[in-house]
Amino acid sequence: AQSVTQLGSHVSVSEGALVLLRCNYSSSVPPYLFWYVQYPNQGLQLLLKYTSAATLVKGINGFEAEFKKSETSFHLTKPSAHMSDAAEYFCAVSAYSGNTPLVFGKGTRLSVIA
Amino acid sequence: KAGVTQTPRYLIKTRGQQVTLSCSPISGHRSVSWYQQTPGQGLQFLFEYFSETQRNKGNFPGRFSGRQFSNSRSEMNVSTLELGDSALYLCASSADKNYGYTFGSGTRLTVV
Repeated sequence: AQSVTQLGSHVSVSEGALVLLRCNYSSSVPPYLFWYVQYPNQGLQLLLKYTSAATLVKGINGFEAEFKKSETSFHLTKPSAHMSDAAEYFCAVSAYSGNTPLVFGKGTRLSVIA
Repeated sequence: KAGVTQTPRYLIKTRGQQVTLSCSPISGHRSVSWYQQTPGQGLQFLFEYFSETQRNKGNFPGRFSGRQFSNSRSEMNVSTLELGDSALYLCASSADKNYGYTFGSGTRLTVV
């Protein structure tokens, strides 16, 4: 079974500072990994995905994530935070093979301070 | 390209009633998944339908049910509503998990 742990339910950064949101996964088989963002009263928007190609994945809005198998991690980063990045971020995992559903972490709320 | 459409956006129901939520996936997507989102439990998987068949089911009571039609549109039904069913219900469609899942804006259900 797959599971995801997001370290830190709330992260606060200054505008222009590095954003680092942590995600560790547990999966008995090679996984697909995703990062989603949710703005208030909206659905989830896909930021980026890892599907066993390049380990460094670039997404929308300047975000990227690196798949590290040895650390079972898929941390999300952005070099310079913008006020518009304030939102809830979710890491999710699904098994590479089979028809298993997407399993989400608890989410990390990102605040950006001016 | 139209996104995933969920209707209605907001719903208020009384305990004991039943409710039906609708989801229209992106054209060509045959997989539709439903999630319940609450502040306490986060995003929990309800079920997934693929080509009109339930392919996966989460750990929810039988009061929660769903179906998918031949045009891939999906509905979920909750019977005998409880206060704890108040949540944001999200629908996601996918052509293949390799491409990710596209979510709708959700239906906010409030049970009073």
